[in-house]
Amino acid sequence: DTGVSQNPRHKITKRGQNVTFRCDPISEHNRLYWYRQTLGQGPEFLTYFQNEAQLEKSRLLSDRFSAERPKGSFSTLEIQRTEQGDSAMYLCASSLAVDEQYFGPGTRLTVT
Amino acid sequence: GNSVTQMEGPVTLSEEAFLTINCTYTATGYPSLFWYVQYPGEGLQLLLKATKADDKGSNKGFEATYRKETTSFHLEKGSVQVSDSAVYFCALPRDRYGGSQGNLIFGKGTKLSVKP
Repeated sequence: DTGVSQNPRHKITKRGQNVTFRCDPISEHNRLYWYRQTLGQGPEFLTYFQNEAQLEKSRLLSDRFSAERPKGSFSTLEIQRTEQGDSAMYLCASSLAVDEQYFGPGTRLTVT
Repeated sequence: GNSVTQMEGPVTLSEEAFLTINCTYTATGYPSLFWYVQYPGEGLQLLLKATKADDKGSNKGFEATYRKETTSFHLEKGSVQVSDSAVYFCALPRDRYGGSQGNLIFGKGTKLSVKP
């Protein structure tokens, strides 16, 4: 069990650019979650996959955001036309049971 | 949907002091309750959980009891160490159907600093 990994750990981009983040969950976990965390706040849910199916998306996930989990293993989160308000820590979590999620170290995005 | 209110910090304690971080919730039914910890520069780690009323979750000297009468899940530790300095988050499933999605809602977090 190598835990949940996320890449990159840090990303600095200019406003208007597209960025893509990757999450590799714990291998046997079929559930995968994306959260966003801003400074001084708790994580906020963005979207959820069970295997390859994206089953729920938060209102926070605007049209500029898209997530995929093509083979039910790793997942990617893409943000198009980034805005300064997108600056945050993007956290990925996975689980096997309906609760007890295991989080990765996060990707910190800074939009300049 | 469910909600959680967590004592805001920061909290500064001396080593070996007693710690309490308050967490109250509103929920339909009796969802599982969680405490997560986030060390500087890292992601969240599950610290402890309780799955039903009157359950006590414990780990690394931390404890929290699921109190349905007071809708609380306060985090306690009898003697904190410098290494406990971190941000602590109370969490529960977003709605009564959390059993199918499991999406969590988190409190705002309480930053704990322990001085030697």
